[in-house]
Amino acid sequence: ETGVTQSPTHLIKTRGQQVTLRCSSQSGHNTVSWYQQALGQGPQFIFQYYREEENGRGNFPPRFSGLQFPNYSSELNVNALELDDSALYLCASSETVNNEQFFGPGTRLTVL
Amino acid sequence: AQSVTQPDIHITVSEGASLELRCNYSYGATPYLFWYVQSPGQGLQLLLKYFSGDTLVQGIKGFEAEFKRSQSSFNLRKPSVHWSDAAEYFCAVGAEAAGNKLTFGGGTRVLVKP
Repeated sequence: ETGVTQSPTHLIKTRGQQVTLRCSSQSGHNTVSWYQQALGQGPQFIFQYYREEENGRGNFPPRFSGLQFPNYSSELNVNALELDDSALYLCASSETVNNEQFFGPGTRLTVL
Repeated sequence: AQSVTQPDIHITVSEGASLELRCNYSYGATPYLFWYVQSPGQGLQLLLKYFSGDTLVQGIKGFEAEFKRSQSSFNLRKPSVHWSDAAEYFCAVGAEAAGNKLTFGGGTRVLVKP
């Protein structure tokens, strides 16, 4: 059974650019949640997708957006990048909305 | 709103000694509680979880945690620490009513002395 995978592993962008991060959920999982982990802090919930629909959002501005595809993989898009967007972005999938979440290894985003 | 506090930012423990990491949460109803471990540059691995039932839960790698509703705490313990336990530990709370979206504490970094 393949776990949660994320791509890319690392990337570097400059302020004002746009970025897309990708997540493949674990087999049989229909729910994906995204978290942002700034250096030295705990992860913060960005949003959750359940069966291709957004199912809740944390305190993040609209320039953070997402998608979930029919195979339940997901994308996180961030527009107009700011320096404070530099962080580890974690994706987690679960069998359904209230089940245990399994985390991927994360994507390290650096904004210069 | 739910919140999690981990009062200890760093803990240093000798190999073979016991370890206890503190976690206090704030949530109006019965929460889902979790402990995760994160090694440098890695994602999060679930150590254990509490949803309901027995308030003492056993996890992987010899860890256990006890849910104390009266103290709003969910402290993590290990009787004898190994050098490989050096990592960052995060307590998290979720709620069925919120689709189990997790709120994390700030983490406790554990250093293990030989």
